[in-house]
Amino acid sequence: EAQVTQNPRYLITVTGKKLTVTCSQNMNHEYMSWYRQDPGLGLRQIYYSMNVEVTDKGDVPEGYKVSRKEKRNFPLILESPSPNQTSLYFCASSYGTGDYEQYFGPGTRLTVT
Amino acid sequence: GNSVTQMEGPVTLSEEAFLTINCTYTATGYPSLFWYVQYPGEGLQLLLKATKADDKGSNKGFEATYRKETTSFHLEKGSVQVSDSAVYFCALTASGAGSYQLTFGKGTKLSVIP
Repeated sequence: EAQVTQNPRYLITVTGKKLTVTCSQNMNHEYMSWYRQDPGLGLRQIYYSMNVEVTDKGDVPEGYKVSRKEKRNFPLILESPSPNQTSLYFCASSYGTGDYEQYFGPGTRLTVT
Repeated sequence: GNSVTQMEGPVTLSEEAFLTINCTYTATGYPSLFWYVQYPGEGLQLLLKATKADDKGSNKGFEATYRKETTSFHLEKGSVQVSDSAVYFCALTASGAGSYQLTFGKGTKLSVIP
């Protein structure tokens, strides 16, 4: 089954404790991205990647890191999480950009206390 | 920069009512336009899209027409069902190569009651 998976689905952590949210897709997509969803703000892009070893910032990259060492994986790293990073995070992938449909993962709900 | 404005929710309708969710956009060039839907507890999924002016996207009884003159892409459905209860997002990507960003509206929550 074609899908985007994220782990964990739920995470509660404390300020400053490094964490990684994993994202994996099995569709051989070149393009992957991370979004955060906050009430009243919709979805905002954090980082995106056009291919292996090629990443770039989206609208809200501060406090986040990403890497793309393999085509199928695109982990999101929070080196020192803060409470303002409490949010619902989505990973997405697609064959390309522009008209292509983006396929979203089920989301990771992160709470930073 | 690009932006998408969609009507504030929540919207509550009775089953079989007519639905319109307004969406207008600001973008340079000729963007592609999308409606994504998010069912409770799930990620977003593409509902429909249109890639050029006057195109009509349609799926599952939903329709939207790309109106360049009014920079709009309103979502409509003639008769909603309880199963249509979800959050709907209007979105766009810039035209041409290098369109790496999907810009979303804030979302409109629809609740359909029996």
